[in-house]
Amino acid sequence: DVVMTQSPDSLAVSLGERATINCKSSQSVLYSSNNKNYLAWYQQKPGQPLKLLIYWASTRESGVPDRFSGSGSGTDFTLTISSLQAEDVAVYYCHQYYTLPFTFGPGTKVDIK
Amino acid sequence: EVQLLESGGALVQPGGSLRLSCAASGFTFSSYAMSWVRQVPGRGLEWVSVMSGSGDTSHYPESVKGRFTISRDNSKNTLYLQMNSLRAEDTAIYYCAKVKHDHIWGSLDYWGQGTLVSVSS
Repeated sequence: DVVMTQSPDSLAVSLGERATINCKSSQSVLYSSNNKNYLAWYQQKPGQPLKLLIYWASTRESGVPDRFSGSGSGTDFTLTISSLQAEDVAVYYCHQYYTLPFTFGPGTKVDIK
Repeated sequence: EVQLLESGGALVQPGGSLRLSCAASGFTFSSYAMSWVRQVPGRGLEWVSVMSGSGDTSHYPESVKGRFTISRDNSKNTLYLQMNSLRAEDTAIYYCAKVKHDHIWGSLDYWGQGTLVSVSS
């Protein structure tokens, strides 16, 4: 199975500051035939459905604020919140959908400092 | 507006069976693959199964293979998860999720609120 790891486990960032979450896969999730990384990022808030933020590693889902961005390729990926807002307090998960069984990272909790 | 509403979660004894349902609306159900994902409360996410839009392809992780069966009724816009030989470690919130694309290799763009399955004697 492709093991997904995330770092840090949690972080606290001041309002308006940058938050950076890293995700690493044990195998590449880049499909060379279409040059796409099969990697997504989700946000989970208590009592709300999970929300897709980023897919293909760097494509922002419709309606997601542009302060959220994804980058990386192959095995190393990053989710960046450029200017943290109070409503961004949540747990963030990365997800590879390249190799069965599909797998998720353990999550990173983001709080306000 | 896309809506996914899971139902069927319950307390069940080890070795028992349960069928979860996910009623979908707001999109052309048969055109999209669908997935089940579970989460132990307070813990991370585990992918449980995926089925193509036509229903001719499905996949499972080893942890549930042979015990869980995903199915769909495109005439009723409903996804199912039949869970047999349940174990304590199957205790979790089960989410239904829509795959963003028409094939199974896609991100999950809509999720339901989840239904709780508890396996205990």
